[in-house]
Amino acid sequence: GEDVEQSLFLSVREGDSSVINCTYTDSSSTYLYWYKQEPGAGLQLLTYIFSNMDMKQDQRLTVLLNKKDKHLSLRIADTQTGDSAIYFCAESIDKIIFGKGTRLHILP
Amino acid sequence: DAGVIQSPRHEVTEMGQEVTLRCKPISGHNSLFWYRQTMMRGLELLIYFNNNVPIDDSGMPEDRFSAKMPNASFSTLKIQPSEPRDSAVYFCASSTLGRAGGYTFGSGTRLTVV
Repeated sequence: GEDVEQSLFLSVREGDSSVINCTYTDSSSTYLYWYKQEPGAGLQLLTYIFSNMDMKQDQRLTVLLNKKDKHLSLRIADTQTGDSAIYFCAESIDKIIFGKGTRLHILP
Repeated sequence: DAGVIQSPRHEVTEMGQEVTLRCKPISGHNSLFWYRQTMMRGLELLIYFNNNVPIDDSGMPEDRFSAKMPNASFSTLKIQPSEPRDSAVYFCASSTLGRAGGYTFGSGTRLTVV
């Protein structure tokens, strides 16, 4: 079946890099996504990667995909206070399945 | 485009009352999704529609929940009768079937049943 797992919390010092990890179960996933949810708001698409890619970079964001291990990660360089949010990993076959989200806390 | 529009933003109701949540998807999107978010269970897919037709309602918790999409620009999620355990944030999302861009979410309706 489809399942997406990620750790629930991550604390990072301002200016350091944040790495949020995720594992998924369905090897036929076409796309994998990272969404960001700020307090009181809906989920916002941050970035996505096609399953035949192993890396995608977009400014401070780097997505790494290890399809063999079904492992996806999101690296945020130079983490800022505005990055404080919940980050959801998701996989897509006929519909998108979300993980429970990782709450990123920024330490001063 | 104004994005996915949900109403109301907040709803407080008494147990046993009927609650109707509304969603207007992005114009041109042909898939619509209803999610429920709670601390305990995270984000749960309740039901989704393709071209106004319900495709998968296996996530709808009970017969008290029903959803309709009478046309491409409007959907409702109804709970009748409501119970305190239905308290959650309900999100609507829309997308274009088959495209890679993921879903666009509304801002959600925070439902509190007392």
